[in-house]
Amino acid sequence: KAGVTQTPRYLIKTRGQQVTLSCSPISGHRSVSWYQQTPGQGLQFLFEYFSETQRNKGNFPGRFSGRQFSNSRSEMNVSTLELGDSALYLCASSLGLGTGENTQYFGPGTRLTVL
Amino acid sequence: LAKTTQPISMDSYEGQEVNITCSHNNIATNDYITWYQQFPSQGPRFIIQGYKTKVTNEVASLFIPADRKSSTLSLPRVSLSDTAVYYCLVRGADGLTFGKGTHLIIQP
Repeated sequence: KAGVTQTPRYLIKTRGQQVTLSCSPISGHRSVSWYQQTPGQGLQFLFEYFSETQRNKGNFPGRFSGRQFSNSRSEMNVSTLELGDSALYLCASSLGLGTGENTQYFGPGTRLTVL
Repeated sequence: LAKTTQPISMDSYEGQEVNITCSHNNIATNDYITWYQQFPSQGPRFIIQGYKTKVTNEVASLFIPADRKSSTLSLPRVSLSDTAVYYCLVRGADGLTFGKGTHLIIQP
């Protein structure tokens, strides 16, 4: 069974631009979560989607948004990019919501660099 | 979000047993505790998950006391390839929280 895939793997943008990242979950998984990872901050939770609905949201500004499609694929969008948005963006999928017994499996990440 | 606390770094030697403890408050009654391993520029890899008492798999053991306010990941007989960052994950009342991670360095 294929793992979580994320596209693109690397991205370079300039301040003020917007970006869309894509995540394809493991087949059969209905929950997708997004995380931002920066040096010194560890992994920070962005949001979680299940059945096309946002179920949880972390403490990030409204410039960060996401959505989930009927096939469970998910996209996240960052508008008006800032230098501080440079990070590794990770997507994780699970059968159901969050933890509980639903283990999250992570993709390889998208490395975003904002110049 | 539930807060978790882990040591920032730990050192050990090949063949030793390593224990990493994560403290977590506000863990929800029905939530599990999950540990991940991460190498540079890769996504976290699932290690082990548990709810209470002790869980063991082929790579690690997880000890959770009765109050569930902490958990300890135990890695038996570590090798150089176990050098990585280890994260614990719990779901708090408002969502998912990773700890800051523990950078484990294994020396020969």
